[in-house]
Amino acid sequence: KQEVTQIPAALSVPEGENLVLNCSFTDSAIYNLQWFRQDPGKGLTSLLLIQSSQREQTSGRLNASLDKSSGRSTLYIAASQPGDSATYLCAVGTGANSKLTFGKGITLSVRP
Amino acid sequence: DAGVIQSPRHEVTEMGQEVTLRCKPISGHNSLFWYRQTMMRGLELLIYFNNNVPIDDSGMPEDRFSAKMPNASFSTLKIQPSEPRDSAVYFCASSLEGVGYGYTFGSGTRLTVV
Repeated sequence: KQEVTQIPAALSVPEGENLVLNCSFTDSAIYNLQWFRQDPGKGLTSLLLIQSSQREQTSGRLNASLDKSSGRSTLYIAASQPGDSATYLCAVGTGANSKLTFGKGITLSVRP
Repeated sequence: DAGVIQSPRHEVTEMGQEVTLRCKPISGHNSLFWYRQTMMRGLELLIYFNNNVPIDDSGMPEDRFSAKMPNASFSTLKIQPSEPRDSAVYFCASSLEGVGYGYTFGSGTRLTVV
């Protein structure tokens, strides 16, 4: 059974800092991996999708990497801003038509 | 496109009552997913449909839960009878071609059973 872990559960950083959010998964036979953002009381917004054949994806100040062999992904946020404050969830897909398994998320607070 | 639309946004009901949650997926998406989010368990997949057909309902907690997708633009999740432990935020998501192409989530329905 696939398990996805995100540690720590919460993180507080000063504005402008570059930071890395970690995600680990137990079964390396994945189809893809997604990072989502969730604002309080809102749904999830997909940030980056990495297919199993890819090593990384970039969107603006965000960069996500994938290392299947070690069962890890990282989300790098450059020059963090208070608007980046949210919960970031990692989700692993194990097939084209199978469910996503989510981590419990990392709640990020960026202090002005 | 207005995105994935869920209704109601909030629902408060008494234990034992029937609850129906509704979802309108993005037009053209052929997969629809129902998730439940709680503090203790995080996000859990309840059921998903592909081309209106239920593919995997192994996450449905028990017979009190049922889901239907009568057409490509509408799905319901019903709980009957509801219990306090069903209190959670229920999300609907849709995608094209299943999980390979990313999800779009609705804003969720916050259910409170008292």
